Amino acid sequence: DTAVSQTPKYLVTQMGNDKSIKCEQNLGHDTMYWYKQDSKKFLKIMFSYNNKELIINETVPNRFSPKSPDKAHLNLHINSLELGDSAVYFCASSQRQVGSGSVRTDTQYFGPGTRLTVL
Amino acid sequence: EDKVVQSPLSLVVHEGDTVTLNCSYEVTNFRSLLWYKQEKKAPTFLFMLTSSGIEKKSGRLSSILDKKELFSILNITATQTGDSAVYLCALGENNAGNMLTFGGGTRLMVKP
Repeated sequence: DTAVSQTPKYLVTQMGNDKSIKCEQNLGHDTMYWYKQDSKKFLKIMFSYNNKELIINETVPNRFSPKSPDKAHLNLHINSLELGDSAVYFCASSQRQVGSGSVRTDTQYFGPGTRLTVL
Repeated sequence: EDKVVQSPLSLVVHEGDTVTLNCSYEVTNFRSLLWYKQEKKAPTFLFMLTSSGIEKKSGRLSSILDKKELFSILNITATQTGDSAVYLCALGENNAGNMLTFGGGTRLMVKP
């Protein structure tokens, strides 16, 4: 009955490879996110996505791309991996309400994280 | 251009102590401030605050927001070793994408 799940938990790969991390949520939420947490534990938003819009944090290199086959899934694809991509990647989800100023949308539920190590 | 600044960076206390964690922020279009607890893995949600002066409480944890002075505090009374974690403050703005901006966290260690 996991709410937000990610696979794999650990990913070790060589520089230059392309890899994907999968995320699924069974909360019925309509908005999903990817975060990167570096070695200093700083959690930074990478993407926000719902059915209608993809919002990209401008600092994210275009080697990173989210792909959503359906509302419950948001996968993260990374091309040409670099050493600096090593981090823990967290997926999260929330429910965006239609209308103005709904505060429910900000409660995000996080997956367990994927630790990516690029050698 | 840190929007969310937490202090202290780390804190070591003994069981039974009371701690206060601070979060100050800068924002153009405030919507909410959230607190999360991160142990070994995923951050887990604690509180969401939207209005000044209204305390949110859950057991030994409580939090309050001051929108005029742009800060929030998280209090933990009668600390236990299980409270050891990184506590993250996050800012929700009225922007596209509902993205949260996180602070750097406060690492709390509670010793027996």
